[in-house]
Amino acid sequence: GAVVSQHPSRVICKSGTSVKIECRSLDFQATTMFWYRQFPKQSLMLMATSNEGSKATYEQGVEKDKFLINHASLTLSTLTVTSAHPEDSSFYICSARGPGGGYEQYFGPGTRLTVT
Amino acid sequence: GENVEQHPSTLSVQEGDSAVIKCTYSDSASNYFPWYKQELGKRPQLIIDIRSNVGEKKDQRIAVTLNKTAKHFSLHITETQPEDSAVYFCAASIRGGANNLFFGTGTRLTVIP
Repeated sequence: GAVVSQHPSRVICKSGTSVKIECRSLDFQATTMFWYRQFPKQSLMLMATSNEGSKATYEQGVEKDKFLINHASLTLSTLTVTSAHPEDSSFYICSARGPGGGYEQYFGPGTRLTVT
Repeated sequence: GENVEQHPSTLSVQEGDSAVIKCTYSDSASNYFPWYKQELGKRPQLIIDIRSNVGEKKDQRIAVTLNKTAKHFSLHITETQPEDSAVYFCAASIRGGANNLFFGTGTRLTVIP
């Protein structure tokens, strides 16, 4: 149980275009999901906390108009990278708080974004 | 906010030896400390976690210790095997709040056969 999926797993896009990444909790409802970015050989950096039915909470330094987050249902959160630039190329990982809002977070498999 | 530091950044051990990774945290309100193993290009996998009301927890070859007073916690892997080779991340979180995970910088463990 507690499986989180992400789609797509890899995406290549041109500079200036937008890319949407989906994060789904497959077998449980997730009122809270988290979006992380991970650059090569670096740690996971929390970008924002996504709450179902309300606005996301962004970490300091993360542009909310560039990284649009929508958590429209209890099983789906989306991250849209708008007007992508090469420096946005990274590994984006979502996670969801476990069933019942427990301590543990369950991670998606990640999305490798390459902006050319 | 919370600041988690992790050492060492790289660690090489002979197969069968023990490996120890240490982390410190800054926010005394943190009360949940998970450890994740991440293989290249894969998602982080939870390997063990500890809550602030416990000083030590063990699961087969893996153990975690927590010193709340000193605000540090450690991962111990005994009888290491080549398949233990990966990047390990510690994290800290405040359960009851936003439950955000703040990650350490990671330790690349290499187990030499």
